[in-house]
Amino acid sequence: DIQMTQSPSSLSASVGDRVTITCRASQTIDNFLNWYQQKPGRAPKVLIYSASSLQGGVPSRFSGSGSGTDFTLTISSLQPDDSATYYCQQSYNTPRTFGQGTEVQIK
Amino acid sequence: QVQLQESGPGLVKPSETLSLTCTVSGGSMSGYFWTWIRHPAGKGLEWVGRFYTSGRTRYNYNPSLKSRVTMAVDTSKNLFSLTLRSVTAADTAVYYCARDLVGSSNAFDIWGHGTMVTVSS
Repeated sequence: DIQMTQSPSSLSASVGDRVTITCRASQTIDNFLNWYQQKPGRAPKVLIYSASSLQGGVPSRFSGSGSGTDFTLTISSLQPDDSATYYCQQSYNTPRTFGQGTEVQIK
Repeated sequence: QVQLQESGPGLVKPSETLSLTCTVSGGSMSGYFWTWIRHPAGKGLEWVGRFYTSGRTRYNYNPSLKSRVTMAVDTSKNLFSLTLRSVTAADTAVYYCARDLVGSSNAFDIWGHGTMVTVSS
């Protein structure tokens, strides 16, 4: 199985801050990397697919980059509604695997 | 638009069988990959397995669960199911059904709301 490692596991930032979350795959996955946002009691919601493509309806302050084994999710200007847990997920092969999550809190 | 809804018992006894159903509304199941994902409390998301149906149905399970998992589909009723045998407390989780856009975005683009399953006597 491909192991996905996210860092940090949690962070606290102020409204307007630039926030970066990283995800590393245990082997190359080209650009088969997705990012999800999950709020308590809700299902995950896809934000970014294929490493850098913004899902329809997702605010443009979210962006993704990377290829191979190292990937980044950036929130350019953190908003109160962005308080959530973020997960990366590889779609290179099966079993599909997820990172352990990064909890983002608003100061 | 396509919507998914999970259903099933919220409590299952250890060593028994967990059975869940996902009902698909607002669209056809044919030509897509459909998936079960679970989320144990305090842990990460785990892919349980998926199937693809377009005439013939192909199933693909997580090797860690393969010996205990069966999925099935009824396209005439637009629903699919998950059966997990010999459950233990480690199978306690929120179970989600989702659509996997393999060959397109390769992401889980539509999810059910999730159903909590507790394994306890």
